[in-house]
Amino acid sequence: AAGVIQSPRHLIKEKRETATLKCYPIPRHDTVYWYQQGPGQDPQFLISFYEKMQSDKGSIPDRFSAQQFSDYHSELNMSSLELGDSALYFCASSSSRGTTNTGELFFGEGSRLTVL
Amino acid sequence: SQQGEEDPQALSIQEGENATMNCSYKTSINNLQWYRQNSGRGLVHLILIRSNEREKHSGRLRVTLDTSKKSSSLLITASRAADTASYFCATSGTYKYIFGTGTRLKVLA
Repeated sequence: AAGVIQSPRHLIKEKRETATLKCYPIPRHDTVYWYQQGPGQDPQFLISFYEKMQSDKGSIPDRFSAQQFSDYHSELNMSSLELGDSALYFCASSSSRGTTNTGELFFGEGSRLTVL
Repeated sequence: SQQGEEDPQALSIQEGENATMNCSYKTSINNLQWYRQNSGRGLVHLILIRSNEREKHSGRLRVTLDTSKKSSSLLITASRAADTASYFCATSGTYKYIFGTGTRLKVLA
């Protein structure tokens, strides 16, 4: 079965540079979530999209933005990178529709961002 | 944490023993879920318990929920070395899931 696909898996950037992470949710899933996880930390909710519209927002810095496209893939854009942005960034998807709504999140394997 | 505390933060047991992890949360919930994360990997859903349920089983997993205390526990019976991972509880809002701080479980062979 298809899973959530994230790219790139690893990314190294310098301070003040820009990074873009991509996420391809499970087909027919209507909601995408982005999480940030620092070393030894719990996943922190950043933002979510339902049917391509922003649906909720968490502790996402103003330097970050995200969107979901017509094909349901999502991108997280991070500008003016800081050392503290180094983390694992996870995308997850879920379905709210009928019998496919199990209430669970399906996670990708994450994108590891290192800011030097 | 955006959610609350899990305890213990770290747990080390021998293979075959049972492992119990606890989670507290802050808000009213529709359901509570437990996830497992192997080091550096994505989280994997284990079990969901609804707010009107008190206990649920799945294989070697047993979850309890006490909404009056806003707490849940996850019991893994007859643990195996392959159970070594971090375990997180999560509560779900309409369009976000909030995770607890997690318990790092190490099962020694």
